[in-house]
Amino acid sequence: EIVLTQSPATLSLSPGERATLSCRASQSIGFYLAWYQQKPGQAPRLLISDVANRATGIPARFSGSGSGTDFTLTISSLEPEDFAVYYCQHLNNWPPSFTFGPGTKVDI
Amino acid sequence: VQLVESGGDVIQPGGSLRLSCAASGITFNDYTTHWVRQVPGRGLEWVSLISWNGGITYYADSVKGRFTISRDNSENSVYLQMNNMTTEDTAFYYCAKGMDTSMVTPLAYWGQGTLVIVSS
Repeated sequence: EIVLTQSPATLSLSPGERATLSCRASQSIGFYLAWYQQKPGQAPRLLISDVANRATGIPARFSGSGSGTDFTLTISSLEPEDFAVYYCQHLNNWPPSFTFGPGTKVDI
Repeated sequence: VQLVESGGDVIQPGGSLRLSCAASGITFNDYTTHWVRQVPGRGLEWVSLISWNGGITYYADSVKGRFTISRDNSENSVYLQMNNMTTEDTAFYYCAKGMDTSMVTPLAYWGQGTLVIVSS
């Protein structure tokens, strides 16, 4: 079973700063990694699929990178609406599984 | 695309509950549908999926044997029957669909969630 670890647990930054969030897998997962954003009282929102592909409507300040076991979500310049919790997710084709990391909270 | 969950309630340990997810704005029967849950203030846990025609279902180990997912494409709905519930099943339950018609694909569409509380 693949385990995802996210760091840091909390990232305290100011608007305009760059945010770098890490997701590490317990074994190589290739490119089967997605990122989600969740704000209080809301459902998660898909940001990134397949490590680096922005979902429809996601601003260009969000970018994903990495491969194998180490992945990064970068927010180039934080906007006030970006302060939220971010989850990475591994998707396994067979048997199907959808493992989430524990999340990183980006706060002011 | 809109997904609307319903059926959340307060239930006693050992009890049963059925959640519903109604879809609109999408060709419903093209898509695999998932349930994901979240303990308030905690992280996300994938619970179950059902393929577009109901022929394939999968469950997280934590609910296997207790939860059953089903769908009625004529009603544009997916259901989650939860039996023998425990306090660890207390969570918001989200219905979600993938970004494309593949069975394993990131979840691009989510409902607003329905709260299930298991408590005596």
